Amino acid sequence: SQELEQSPQSLIVQEGKNLTINCTSSKTLYGLYWYKQKYGEGLIFLMMLQKGGEEKSHEKITAKLDEKKQQSSLHITASQPSHAGIYLCGAYNYGQNFVFGPGTRLSVLP
Amino acid sequence: KAGVTQTPRYLIKTRGQQVTLSCSPISGHRSVSWYQQTPGQGLQFLFEYFSETQRNKGNFPGRFSGRQFSNSRSEMNVSTLELGDSALYLCASGRDSYTEAFFGQGTRLTVV
Repeated sequence: SQELEQSPQSLIVQEGKNLTINCTSSKTLYGLYWYKQKYGEGLIFLMMLQKGGEEKSHEKITAKLDEKKQQSSLHITASQPSHAGIYLCGAYNYGQNFVFGPGTRLSVLP
Repeated sequence: KAGVTQTPRYLIKTRGQQVTLSCSPISGHRSVSWYQQTPGQGLQFLFEYFSETQRNKGNFPGRFSGRQFSNSRSEMNVSTLELGDSALYLCASGRDSYTEAFFGQGTRLTVV
């Protein structure tokens, strides 16, 4: 079955710094989703990528799906305390079940 | 427009009891998926419903069941509760699979 790994597991950055979170799949991705979660709350949809090489941006967050479609990166520019939370990548596996990565916990120090 | 609504937000049950959780999707969305989130296992897929039919099912025991109504609202039922069922249960709605999915705030279930 398809598995998603995320790196790093956790990240602490100073406000204003840039950062990148990676999501690697054990199989080819047919659609990759990025979500953000505040502790104990629901997930906030960030972006969905479907085509190899596709790149999307929203405010200061940019996500890209690599050409071989087995890895995606999420880049945050000039981080702010409001960016803090858990970032999760998710994807449909071949059985059409949805799987999530373990998450990356981001802390932004003011 | 209104987001995904899950009720109740918090629930405390005793082992052996059963529980029903509710999810009202975004208007126009016909796909509703359910997930269990625990510190140890992370987010795990339970099942997906589309137009009142269960389309996909995760690897959970038969004690976990669900249904979807004609108005796309969905319920999830867990029977014979175990301590390990304590978790945050999240539902997500979308127009279909492989589309943007939006999550509710979740129901936190505590089994004592």
